[in-house]
Amino acid sequence: DVKVTQSSRYLVKRTGEKVFLECVQDMDHENMFWYRQDPGLGLRLIYFSYDVKMKEKGDIPEGYSVSREKKERFSLILESASTNQTSMYLCASTPQGQGGNTIYFGEGSWLTVV
Amino acid sequence: DAKTTQPTSMDCAEGRAANLPCNHSTISGNEYVYWYRQIHSQGPQYIIHGLKNNETNEMASLIITEDRKSSTLILPHATLRDTAVYYCIVRETNAGKSTFGDGTTLTVKP
Repeated sequence: DVKVTQSSRYLVKRTGEKVFLECVQDMDHENMFWYRQDPGLGLRLIYFSYDVKMKEKGDIPEGYSVSREKKERFSLILESASTNQTSMYLCASTPQGQGGNTIYFGEGSWLTVV
Repeated sequence: DAKTTQPTSMDCAEGRAANLPCNHSTISGNEYVYWYRQIHSQGPQYIIHGLKNNETNEMASLIITEDRKSSTLILPHATLRDTAVYYCIVRETNAGKSTFGDGTTLTVKP
């Protein structure tokens, strides 16, 4: 089975701290994504990557950056955390190729910024 | 990716079929219809997907209209554990970006 693992399930950080959210997938998928999910707002795409060292902005990239140095790992970085970044963050991956490709999600990381 | 429209919420009696609609009127020819669900505090779980033909698996059936502008997810015998938010999305095979809407909150009642 495909496994998408997010390193931290629950985090509490202070305003202004630099925060790293790590995500690893074990199925050699090309595409990886970071979403955030807030009550009543569904899943909103922050950034995605379709290859190592490649990244593209999603719908809400402001205040975030990403890093993809290795194919299996996609990191979300909050350079200076703010309280409005308190949210649940979801990492996902999917392969490229012909035919429909399922997106596989991690279990989520709950971040609280105080 | 094409946008989708789903009802905000639906109720279903336990043991009955749950029919969840989705409109995707701007879908293009190479976009698939996907359904996911998310149970509280967990990551979304894949249910089923299709391109043109109706599809069935152990979890659900997917009915896509002939013009592909709408689809229906069918849970044939809903249980309390099917209570979740259900997302319908459309995406291309190799599309990097995948956009989720707000989904439908399905509540299965005893």
